[in-house]
Amino acid sequence: IVMTQSPDSLALSLGERATINCKSSQSVLYSSNNKNYLAWYQQKPGQPPKLLIYWASTRESGVPDRFSGSGSGTDFTLTISSLQAEDVAVYYCQQYYSNPITFGQGTRLEIK
Amino acid sequence: EVQLLESGGGLVQPGGSLRLSCGVSGFTFSNYAMNWVRQAPGKGLEWVSVISVSGGATYYADSVKGRFTISRDDSKNTLYLQMNSLRAEDTAVYYCAKDQRVSSCNNAGCYSIFEYWGQGTLVTVSS
Repeated sequence: IVMTQSPDSLALSLGERATINCKSSQSVLYSSNNKNYLAWYQQKPGQPPKLLIYWASTRESGVPDRFSGSGSGTDFTLTISSLQAEDVAVYYCQQYYSNPITFGQGTRLEIK
Repeated sequence: EVQLLESGGGLVQPGGSLRLSCGVSGFTFSNYAMNWVRQAPGKGLEWVSVISVSGGATYYADSVKGRFTISRDDSKNTLYLQMNSLRAEDTAVYYCAKDQRVSSCNNAGCYSIFEYWGQGTLVTVSS
């Protein structure tokens, strides 16, 4: 499954809303449990990735509620409701619906 | 506190071998599938391999199949990646990553959510 993110980079002002899109080449919705096998990660410079969202919309424990995930099937969105300085990072989507597990190419988020 | 610590990276010539280790603490290692994920310099994330609970099943990316071997020693809380026939394109930071779920594997594969990651170890393949 090919994961394609858009845009590749994004520059916004503090307090603005950030929207990152992720499209899968085939559906990652498993019909038997109605779950989307889609996760989002944040990677800050020099650090390993950090899990933000799984099952497309479930926020990992400790992740601020300004981060939210939505979408189903093949189209997904990560939204940061009010951009903070500490949100500067590269964001990746990942599908775990089928092997091999695949990631999007990443979206670099910067402060304008 | 969950901790994962990779070691064993370094500079190796093309065609050479290297063995990475990932020591873990803070959770019951034997209960979870474990993965290796790599990141070439300035590039994105690439899943490399996964090993199920008890090592009963292993899966690999096509790019490393037949050259890399994943294994685990539950008595030592350690994950390994044996890398043979290394190529320049294997140059990357290699991360070990813990699966979030206890039962993410079936007989067709493992479907991991990467809950915790190590800091990574750099492998450089160059002459």
